[in-house]
Amino acid sequence: KQEVTQIPAALSVPEGENLVLNCSFTDSAIYNLQWFRQDPGKGLTSLLLIQSSQREQTSGRLNASLDKSSGRSTLYIAASQPGDSATYLCAVAGGAQKLVFGQGTRLTINP
Amino acid sequence: DVKVTQSSRYLVKRTGEKVFLECVQDMDHENMFWYRQDPGLGLRLIYFSYDVKMKEKGDIPEGYSVSREKKERFSLILESASTNQTSMYLCASSLRLFGTSGNHEQFFGPGTRLTVL
Repeated sequence: KQEVTQIPAALSVPEGENLVLNCSFTDSAIYNLQWFRQDPGKGLTSLLLIQSSQREQTSGRLNASLDKSSGRSTLYIAASQPGDSATYLCAVAGGAQKLVFGQGTRLTINP
Repeated sequence: DVKVTQSSRYLVKRTGEKVFLECVQDMDHENMFWYRQDPGLGLRLIYFSYDVKMKEKGDIPEGYSVSREKKERFSLILESASTNQTSMYLCASSLRLFGTSGNHEQFFGPGTRLTVL
């Protein structure tokens, strides 16, 4: 059974810092991995999707990497801003057409 | 941009009521999904649909049913609401299923926070 873990559960950093969020998964047989952002009480916003054949994807200040063999992904956020404060979720796509989600990392950027 | 909308942001119902949650997507996506999100349990898949009138159970289908009569609309039905169905319900859609070519990205709606009293 696929399990997804995100560490740390919460992170607080000053504005302007570069930071890394971690995601690990137990079964390397995945189709893709997707990173989402969730603001309090809201739905999920898709940030990046990495196909299983890819090593990384970039969008603006965000860069996500994937190492399938070790079961790890990282989300790198450059030059963090207060507006980046949210919960970040990673999810892996495996069999049965479902995304398996981690518990999320709650990120706070302090002005 | 893909837009997924859900009929209500907040809903309060009584135990035993029949509850309908509606989801509409405007990008001609083939696949639609219903998840629920609970503190400490994360997001869990209830049902998904890969075509009109087609549906598959997810991890926690008990107490729920779904309906997809049109491609753009996917409804989640609580036949007899219970307090343990108090949750945030999230709908999503995607163009292609995993394992096929094309875009597999799932796009989510804003969520419906359902409280059953």
